[in-house]
Amino acid sequence: DTEVTQTPKHLVMGMTNKKSLKCEQHMGHRAMYWYKQKAKKPPELMFVYSYEKLSINESVPSRFSPECPNSSLLNLHLHALQPEDSALYLCASSQDRTANNYYGYTFGSGTRLTVV
Amino acid sequence: GQQLNQSPQSMFIQEGEDVSMNCTSSSIFNTWLWYKQDPGEGPVLLIALYKAGELTSNGRLTAQFGITRKDSFLNISASIPSDVGIYFCAGQNSGGSNYKLTFGKGTLLTVNP
Repeated sequence: DTEVTQTPKHLVMGMTNKKSLKCEQHMGHRAMYWYKQKAKKPPELMFVYSYEKLSINESVPSRFSPECPNSSLLNLHLHALQPEDSALYLCASSQDRTANNYYGYTFGSGTRLTVV
Repeated sequence: GQQLNQSPQSMFIQEGEDVSMNCTSSSIFNTWLWYKQDPGEGPVLLIALYKAGELTSNGRLTAQFGITRKDSFLNISASIPSDVGIYFCAGQNSGGSNYKLTFGKGTLLTVNP
């Protein structure tokens, strides 16, 4: 299995809703990431988990709450979002940078989030 | 922070033509990555470069890691309609921030059949 699987593929939520995005990989990667991407822009890093511990939070508002239940799963909990949070949310995973067979990040297909 | 300048921003070419795009950085990277992104999908890794001066091919794609470690280029030969998409370069370093990728702004490629 060489994929990062994200669910759902599309999500529409109101500003008072609580929802979660899910990400799963079975490649044995020990680093997992959440990125946010606006149309025709590069991905922007939000969070990094390394060995199931949060190692980087790029000053993301608290209405986004990440969780890493185990080495294969990564969640992003959403609450009280704003319309400007509408974007493609990408999950990615990677091996340790020092691994001999490091091949960069593997990205999922993303969740297209619309906040109404 | 580190910034990548990727050019051109967009390209319109005829099927069969060769394409070249490049990225330059204000500081050095230990790894250069090239991704392609189709609409509604996540970026897909095309080529990874690990050593200064390295030249790597993947089918019709060729990429090089600049000697100064501050630049990289990607060439696509004999373009076909399915090459359409946005191409991103990304740089990565080892050390405390070794998990972070710095992305270029992307090159939008359109191929006319």
